Order: sequence, then C-alpha cells, then structure tokens
Amino acid sequence: QQQVKQSPQSLIVQKGGISIINCAYENTAFDYFPWYQQFPGKGPALLIAIRPDVSEKKEGRFTISFNKSAKQFSLHIMDSQPGDSATYFCAARYSGAGSYQLTFGKGTKLSVIP
Amino acid sequence: NAGVTQTPKFQVLKTGQSMTLQCAQDMNHEYMSWYRQDPGMGLRLIHYSVGAGITDQGEVPNGYNVSRSTTEDFPLRLLSAAPSQTSVYFCASRTTGGTDTQYFGPGTRLTVL
Repeated sequence: QQQVKQSPQSLIVQKGGISIINCAYENTAFDYFPWYQQFPGKGPALLIAIRPDVSEKKEGRFTISFNKSAKQFSLHIMDSQPGDSATYFCAARYSGAGSYQLTFGKGTKLSVIP
Repeated sequence: NAGVTQTPKFQVLKTGQSMTLQCAQDMNHEYMSWYRQDPGMGLRLIHYSVGAGITDQGEVPNGYNVSRSTTEDFPLRLLSAAPSQTSVYFCASRTTGGTDTQYFGPGTRLTVL
C-alpha cells in the first residue's frame, strides 16, 4: 500500500528556532518527494522537493534531508519565523504505469510564536 | 496566467442533492486531479486524469464522477450528496514526468446538511 506517514501532527516553535517535520514511506518505487506549504484558506503550494539520488537539498532557510536506506525524509526550517506558521505536507510520487500520483502525509500544523 | 481556478468557493447542499464543482487551468497541463481535505486526514486523491478523455480513480472515488473533455477543464460531480462528503475540495494540475510542480486551486468548501 502506498503510504506516507508524517509526524508530528502539530508543532510549536519559538521564533528563531528550528522546526523539524519527519516523514516515512514504504514504497521503494516512489521517485520524487515534495513538500507543500498551506496557509489557512489557501491551496497547498510547492515549497521544496528532492529526488532519491540526493541526500540533502537546501533552499534558503528550508532543507530536506533524505535517507534512502531508512525510507525517511525530513523538512528542517531554520530560524523559524511567525510567517512560517502554516500546515506542511510531505508527499511522495509514484510514476508507475504513467500515473504520476502524489501520496500525501496527513500534515503538520506549525505555529511559530514570537 | 490565472493558474488553476475553482468555482464555487463555498457551497451548502442538502443530502441527496447533486452538484458539479468546476475546475479549469490555463497552463496546458496534461495531468489534473481532485483531492479532498479533511481535518487530520491530509489530502486524499479522489480522481485524476492524464489527458483529455482519460480518467481514473484515486483513493476515495465513491460518490464522485469526473470527465475530461478538454485539456483545460476537469469538473467533479457529486451524484447524491451525503454528509460524509462535507469537506474542502482542491483541484490540481501539472505536467507529467520529471519533477514538475503540482499547482493547486484555491479550494471549494462544501457542506452537506
């Protein structure tokens, strides 16, 4: 079964701190791992993504760490800001049979307090 | 580009009523999909399409119908609304393959009484 397990469900971080969200997957056929950010009342938007042949990808304050052998990946938000308060979804893509389906984790609600 | 547009933004239905949620994209994307978002459940795929005339079921297809007659439009039909279909619905589109971004619409909040 194509599953992506995400933790924690919610996270409260002090301004300037590091936010860490973890995801684990089962299907080794997943070939692309994006993270989406969703603000209240809006649709999700792509934040950062990684392919399984890379162990880390950094874009500004956002970093994805990828551990292929453990089938785990995580999002790190450095110097967290109140504007980062949102719901974050990890996802994994399965490209088999031309489907290109994304399977999403259940989301993490991040609150960054001043 | 308007991106992915959805109408209506809000809708209240009575049990048993039918309706169509509209979705359109102007990016010439082959792949379009519908998700529902429920608290604590993440985004669950309802139906998807890899091109005009081609649709397939996702994780939670029961009670929903789709069709794709053009590249731009991908409507979602609720045949006989049930309270369990109260949710926020998102349409999304992207090109296929590579590491292309999936773009989401702003969502439709549906309440079934």
